[in-house]
Amino acid sequence: GAGVSQTPSNKVTEKGKYVELRCDPISGHTALYWYRQSLGQGPEFLIYFQGTGAADDSGLPNDRFFAVRPEGSVSTLKIQRTERGDSAVYLCASSFSVRDTQYFGPGTRLTVL
Amino acid sequence: KQEVTQIPAALSVPEGENLVLNCSFTDSAIYNLQWFRQDPGKGLTSLLLIQSSQREQTSGRLNASLDKSSGRSTLYIAASQPGDSATYLCAVPASGGSYIPTFGRGTSLIVHP
Repeated sequence: GAGVSQTPSNKVTEKGKYVELRCDPISGHTALYWYRQSLGQGPEFLIYFQGTGAADDSGLPNDRFFAVRPEGSVSTLKIQRTERGDSAVYLCASSFSVRDTQYFGPGTRLTVL
Repeated sequence: KQEVTQIPAALSVPEGENLVLNCSFTDSAIYNLQWFRQDPGKGLTSLLLIQSSQREQTSGRLNASLDKSSGRSTLYIAASQPGDSATYLCAVPASGGSYIPTFGRGTSLIVHP
């Protein structure tokens, strides 16, 4: 079956612009995670959803970052007023439940000029 | 706060060697530990998931062990092949009953023919 997909694969934007990153999890997976990964680092947790609700958003760096999952499937990570420091690879993962194996998407590489 | 350390940071070996990658964590109150593989420019692929009640898990040439009390896990790769070249990351829950994974920085492995 289909794995986790993320779009776009690459996004280049200018400082101050708004961006949306999309994640399509594996069908039937209730848990969905967003991470950010910088070069040479492991993924850094941002937020996770259990169903439609954000169960923990403690990893979001500031209020410019927001994520939604309105129907408990597709999720969108939204970044307002982008800054150069937001440049990274944004990874999405899903799992059947929170204690199960996480399956990752290929990531979206965000570059803020 | 959970901290995860992976040693060595990088490893370059000739094909055929047996390898040991180490992962240590500071908060041993975990319910599982997961090992991932990441190829350059790609997302993470789950290799092995060890529940806290288990001592080890095996998949093909891979064997992962878990010693909760000492806060350590080891990934053993038998008869390494060039196709094993990748970064290997371990992840444990952030703390106690948290569902948020904390990742190490990974071990970058190169297996040359």
